[in-house]
Amino acid sequence: ETGVTQSPTHLIKTRGQQVTLRCSSQSGHNTVSWYQQALGQGPQFIFQYYREEENGRGNFPPRFSGLQFPNYSSELNVNALELDDSALYLCASSLRSGGATDTQYFGPGTRLTVL
Amino acid sequence: AQSVTQLDSHVSVSEGTPVLLRCNYSSSYSPSLFWYVQHPNKGLQLLLKYTSAATLVKGINGFEAEFKKSETSFHLTKPSAHMSDAAEYFCVVRGLDTGRRALTFGSGTRLQVQP
Repeated sequence: ETGVTQSPTHLIKTRGQQVTLRCSSQSGHNTVSWYQQALGQGPQFIFQYYREEENGRGNFPPRFSGLQFPNYSSELNVNALELDDSALYLCASSLRSGGATDTQYFGPGTRLTVL
Repeated sequence: AQSVTQLDSHVSVSEGTPVLLRCNYSSSYSPSLFWYVQHPNKGLQLLLKYTSAATLVKGINGFEAEFKKSETSFHLTKPSAHMSDAAEYFCVVRGLDTGRRALTFGSGTRLQVQP
């Protein structure tokens, strides 16, 4: 177990709705990254938060947004859901301390189904 | 920019025989390389990482990988497969792009272990 938790485990929404996914970081970690894993594919980077600021973004539209809180937990918000947003959403926490070797530890994921 | 190519989408071995999962990488910088494993309906677990120290990296559960700069490869091996090794394996690269510490995943290799 990595100590990274995500909620909810599963979620079903309909097209056009909005969704919020939550992630609690491993103790002592200050950075959270979010990834989308479509069925049968490798995870793709959505964005990363460090000390409550967005610190890099992948090729995802603005309707994907996030927050990081002072306790380093994080939310991923997706507006105007589309069918292609159906995926496993993974959160990873890490400790950024100036070096480049901060290993990312993943939570179990939230399975989102959009109907 | 950086990328990884996993050369086999599926590998099938018999229990007790060696495992070889192949990965080639591309990176403009000296990369950090990782192997993660994902069991069905589970999150990603770190197997091992290379961060420019020893080129032969030992990981958990008897896995190891060798970084070969001349071949731009980072193949994962295990001397003797166990039934519990059946899972999806991802080769991952992280470059040193300023402001970006995102992981770039390969497309994955599904390992089947036959009794």
